[in-house]
Amino acid sequence: DSGVTQTPKHLITATGQRVTLRCSPRSGDLSVYWYQQSLDQGLQFLIQYYNGEERAKGNILERFSAQQFPDLHSELNLSSLELGDSALYFCASSLQVSGANVLTFGAGSRLTVL
Amino acid sequence: DAKTTQPPSMDCAEGRAANLPCNHSTISGNEYVYWYRQIHSQGPQYIIHGLKNNETNEMASLIITEDRKSSTLILPHATLRDTAVYYCIRPNNAGNMLTFGGGTRLMVKP
Repeated sequence: DSGVTQTPKHLITATGQRVTLRCSPRSGDLSVYWYQQSLDQGLQFLIQYYNGEERAKGNILERFSAQQFPDLHSELNLSSLELGDSALYFCASSLQVSGANVLTFGAGSRLTVL
Repeated sequence: DAKTTQPPSMDCAEGRAANLPCNHSTISGNEYVYWYRQIHSQGPQYIIHGLKNNETNEMASLIITEDRKSSTLILPHATLRDTAVYYCIRPNNAGNMLTFGGGTRLMVKP
């Protein structure tokens, strides 16, 4: 158990629907990152939050949005889902270690869009 | 550009050392190099990081060249469970560690 909790683990839905993925960071970590990994693809950075504020943005689609709440958990909202959105979605939280920035990843949420 | 270059795949015999190279020729003086691995579809797992000096922990050793343009991750006694994709990562210009490239797919064989 990495300490980063993601729910749900698996989600099957239909095209056009909307889903919300949830992430609870490790205790004490202020940053949350979201990544998408499609089948046999690398990890694509979507967005980062630090203490409730957006810190960095990657290639996140306009149909996707995220937020980080005061208790530091984060949600990734995916709307108007398409078949191509089927992927593993990983959340990570970061810990500063001797000036470095080590990411701890959750187990991921597997989204299947039918 | 926060790019690193790694060979797409490598094989290693079980019990032997696995040496995974990474080129990061444009890294600046205060940027760390990080290594992660991903076993099948699990969440990526942190292995080690370094700045200038060689580093060792319970999982691996990291050798960084003096000019810092490349590094090598060493798994001293590879096991079948070390079969994974290994990612060498450096921060982007904003100091965030955001970009995972293709990594090296390490296959440990009996």
